[in-house]
Amino acid sequence: RKEVEQDPGPFNVPEGATVAFNCTYSNSASQSFFWYRQDCRKEPKLLMSVYSSGNEDGRFTAQLNRASQYISLLIRDSKLSDSATYLCVVKGWGSARQLTFGSGTQLTVLP
Amino acid sequence: DAGVTQSPTHLIKTRGQQVTLRCSPKSGHDTVSWYQQALGQGPQFIFQYYEEEERQRGNFPDRFSGHQFPNYSSELNVNALLLGDSALYLCASSAGGTNDNEKLFFGSGTQLSVL
Repeated sequence: RKEVEQDPGPFNVPEGATVAFNCTYSNSASQSFFWYRQDCRKEPKLLMSVYSSGNEDGRFTAQLNRASQYISLLIRDSKLSDSATYLCVVKGWGSARQLTFGSGTQLTVLP
Repeated sequence: DAGVTQSPTHLIKTRGQQVTLRCSPKSGHDTVSWYQQALGQGPQFIFQYYEEEERQRGNFPDRFSGHQFPNYSSELNVNALLLGDSALYLCASSAGGTNDNEKLFFGSGTQLSVL
């Protein structure tokens, strides 16, 4: 089982749609959680951190459920510029405090 | 303010050869992490350097080695290249000493092709 698993995608949605991505992680001791965005042939960039209380940044909402070891990202009112691959990222602790990336979910927003 | 810079951008090698990739961290950052990203996969952690020492290492063989210089720049060396080493190699920098390595700034990567 992979440490971080994501919806396989790809997701093709029309502009203005709401789309949700899901992610599960296997290590219950994981400490921190993030969503990164990666455009085609570019480097990953931090989109937002994910907190247990849920957090929102404009059209983006992230949720964490530690009991279910589940992370989600909701994008409302999708824009063409949201087209990218979204990477779910988990940080361990102690000797495993590096970032572990999921395989990513590809989103294409269509005009 | 220069971000993370990597060189070269593209590289073609043949099996068995050795390769060295280079990275200069973002100004003010002293920690460098290296990741390997195969096509269609997320980045996989190779190792992290801080204070010129390897601080953490992922699940990669000893063929992968690194170095950090006093100016915080870093090199990734891969010996005895295999076809499976073909990937995008990403360097990421952060301010070390705090384990706050989620605030990573990535370079645009080196695309390595092994023929």
